[in-house]
Amino acid sequence: QKEVEQNSGPLSVPEGAIASLNCTYSDRVSQSFFWYRQYSGKSPELIMSIYSNGDKEDGRFTAQLNKASQYVSLLIRDSQPSDSATYLCAVNIGTNAGKSTFGDGTTLTVKP
Amino acid sequence: DGGITQSPKYLFRKEGQNVTLSCEQNLNHDAMYWYRQDPGQGLRLIYYSQIVNDFQKGDIAEGYSVSREKKESFPLTVTSAQKNPTAFYLCASSGGGDYNEQFFGPGTRLTVL
Repeated sequence: QKEVEQNSGPLSVPEGAIASLNCTYSDRVSQSFFWYRQYSGKSPELIMSIYSNGDKEDGRFTAQLNKASQYVSLLIRDSQPSDSATYLCAVNIGTNAGKSTFGDGTTLTVKP
Repeated sequence: DGGITQSPKYLFRKEGQNVTLSCEQNLNHDAMYWYRQDPGQGLRLIYYSQIVNDFQKGDIAEGYSVSREKKESFPLTVTSAQKNPTAFYLCASSGGGDYNEQFFGPGTRLTVL
């Protein structure tokens, strides 16, 4: 079993819809969770960080964390074609360990 | 502007040659990392350093070497022992805090001819 697993996709949604991206992790002591957006040929860009159970909202993005179920998700509301990218989930073990384990990513396509 | 720079952007190497990829940051971050990304794949950790003059192997360190003589710099050498070096190489840094999130440089695309 991989330490961090994501739906491989591709995920396709119409413009204006909600895109839902999911990630599960295997290590129960994982403390910090991140979502990165990566456009084709570019480096990953951090878009959300979360470490407490519940929801964290930033603009059109909402990260949801459920430590009991070892599950973190990213919701993108009012999806735009510019949101089309690969989304990487990353997990840190321990708040100061600084070592992230990345999932393989989910490719999202938003169709106009 | 604070950030992470990597050079060169594109690098071509003949088989049997060692090459060194540069990574510099002016974010005053203690920790730095090197990842490799193959097409359609996630990131795999090569080496990381949490403090100057110290570094640890990641999941795929064979065929690579690093040094951390200065806080700002973490160069990666891809040696001839690395069998499949063609990939996208990403450098990142993190500064601690509650999240200890990592920030990435623009990457170096290495192609072996």
